[in-house]
Amino acid sequence: DVVMTQSPLSLPVTLGQPASISCRSSQSLVYSDGNTYLNWFQQRPGQSPRRLIYQVSNRDSGVPDRFSGSGSGTDFTLKISRVEAEDVGVYYCMPATHWPPTFGGGTKVEIK
Amino acid sequence: QVHLVESGGGVVQPGRSLRLSCAASGFSFSNYAMHWVRQAPGKGLEWVAVISHDGSNKDYADSVKGRFTISRDNSKNTLYLQMNSLRTEDMAVYYCALGSVVVTVIPFDYWGQGTLVTVSS
Repeated sequence: DVVMTQSPLSLPVTLGQPASISCRSSQSLVYSDGNTYLNWFQQRPGQSPRRLIYQVSNRDSGVPDRFSGSGSGTDFTLKISRVEAEDVGVYYCMPATHWPPTFGGGTKVEIK
Repeated sequence: QVHLVESGGGVVQPGRSLRLSCAASGFSFSNYAMHWVRQAPGKGLEWVAVISHDGSNKDYADSVKGRFTISRDNSKNTLYLQMNSLRTEDMAVYYCALGSVVVTVIPFDYWGQGTLVTVSS
């Protein structure tokens, strides 16, 4: 099974400053079609998870453009260009084409 | 607009059973695989089970295999999770999440609001 490792576990950020979350997989996430399917989810306190990014770098509808995803192979990054108060929560990565479905352990973003 | 609404959670004693439901609307339910994902208090997300669009294929996390059964009724646009022999470690918020037309592709682009299962004597 693929193992997804996120860092840091906790990320205190000053409002308006950037934030970066790392996600590393134990094996390459390149799918048989040559594409890489890596999702990022945001879970605000008391809410359900919400997908932010799919296929490494594509933002879902309604996701602010301050969120961006990048990476390839086994190393991936979610960046928030300027953190806002509504970005507080836990962020998870998850490959979309590896079985069984496995989430990263999560990174908690909080305001300093 | 895709809408997933879970129900059926509650307080149950260890060893007892509970059935969760997930009512779906806003999309062609019978065309998509569906998943259950859970989250224990203060913990991360854990995939639980998947069922193919027509119910012919199912898979489970090792932690629930043999105790939980996923099913669906496409005539009612409803997904189910029958949970037997419940353990304290099954206590969690259970979410249903939208899959894909291909079972092994996991978009999880839509989630329900979750239903809380408490296992306690």
